[in-house]
Amino acid sequence: QVQLVQSGSELKKPGASVKVSCKASGYTFTSYAMNWVRQAPGQGLEWMGWINTNTGNPTYAQGFTGRFVFSLDTSVSTAYLQISSLKAEDTAVYYCARSRTIGYEPYYFDYWGQGTLVTVSS
Amino acid sequence: QLVLTQSPSASASLGASVKLTCTLSSGHSSYAIAWHQQQPEKGPRYLMKLNSDGSHSKGDGIPDRFSGSSSGAERYLTISSLQSEDEADYYCQTWGTGILFGGGTKLTVL
Repeated sequence: QVQLVQSGSELKKPGASVKVSCKASGYTFTSYAMNWVRQAPGQGLEWMGWINTNTGNPTYAQGFTGRFVFSLDTSVSTAYLQISSLKAEDTAVYYCARSRTIGYEPYYFDYWGQGTLVTVSS
Repeated sequence: QLVLTQSPSASASLGASVKLTCTLSSGHSSYAIAWHQQQPEKGPRYLMKLNSDGSHSKGDGIPDRFSGSSSGAERYLTISSLQSEDEADYYCQTWGTGILFGGGTKLTVL
């Protein structure tokens, strides 16, 4: 069965970096795009962007450029989200979610990871 | 500009039915959407993809109690025979140039 398993919770100080992993199983990793979604405490879902698992090409949504990097290790069917220069406002749960693509754009999400809580606090 | 609008909250009694609405902004009434459920303290779960003609395809293991329908720019999620575990946040999602979520509806089962 399809599974997206994310790495565990992280507690980081402001200015530090964090790398969240999302390991996929149960399907051909490169047949689906991987998306990243942020959910701040008590808030809704916010799409951060996606990475083409065939080419490794990332696309970042508005507001998620500069400090956010999507990457892959296709040999272990894993996608990564790295956030640098962490700020308190980066405190959130981060989800990976797979989707097909339609016209070189991501499609609806049919499987989600369980989420990774990143807490930024001094 | 593409916007998805959802009511912030809804409530219904155990065993009853409830219909949640996601409204597409003007000029986008042909768009399909997806519905996702997020139970408390859990990650979202895909429920279904819902087309403008009301046809829909559900995710793996989604009970028959969950169904979708469409009318104009409105996309509906109907949950029948409400159970306590249906108490959750429900989000609609669409796509085009990027991905967009509605603000979510918090469903309370009384």
